[in-house]
Amino acid sequence: EPEVTQTPSHQVTQMGQEVILRCVPISNHLYFYWYRQILGQKVEFLVSFYNNEISEKSEIFDDQFSVERPDGSNFTLKIRSTKLEDSAMYFCASSQRTVYNEQFFGPGTRLTVL
Amino acid sequence: RKEVEQDPGPFNVPEGATVAFNCTYSNSASQSFFWYRQDCRKEPKLLMSVYSSGNEDGRFTAQLNRASQYISLLIRDSKLSDSATYLCVVTSGTYKYIFGTGTRLKVLA
Repeated sequence: EPEVTQTPSHQVTQMGQEVILRCVPISNHLYFYWYRQILGQKVEFLVSFYNNEISEKSEIFDDQFSVERPDGSNFTLKIRSTKLEDSAMYFCASSQRTVYNEQFFGPGTRLTVL
Repeated sequence: RKEVEQDPGPFNVPEGATVAFNCTYSNSASQSFFWYRQDCRKEPKLLMSVYSSGNEDGRFTAQLNRASQYISLLIRDSKLSDSATYLCVVTSGTYKYIFGTGTRLKVLA
């Protein structure tokens, strides 16, 4: 069964450093998303991406964040200058264009900012 | 009022029991509804989409009540493997998911 994959599974970085989280969505999906989950809290929407542009973003997704689809398969989230409060699990998701728009999530990247 | 509210639990039930969770949402224009399951430190996994007419998948039944703005999930004949956090998800006019905080279920042997 096709699935969303993410790398790395765990990333440790120093405050102020740039990180890039990578995702390979399901191949025939058209919509891509990033969510994050701080330990013990709910899953929060960051950004959605369709047709090579951002279709929606949350307040969390400020100028420190960017997304890119550099080729036909990868979808990346970049955090330019990490802060301690960026420590969280980051989930990538993808969906087809269906009435119910069911989203399928990758296994996540655990980001630890020291 | 929170956009999506769930009782955090935990619900501790014996194997074989029936358990039900509710979730309320604040936006009456909400369009799509889902139940996801999340195991500890893992990704959310789609359990069921919730249709207006309600739907059933094996031991799991989901209902939508638009008038009262809640959705429910019923699990019959609980198994140890059902122990997880159940996430209520709503969309309102866009494709972004709005998650509840989740309800923890522990099924006891």
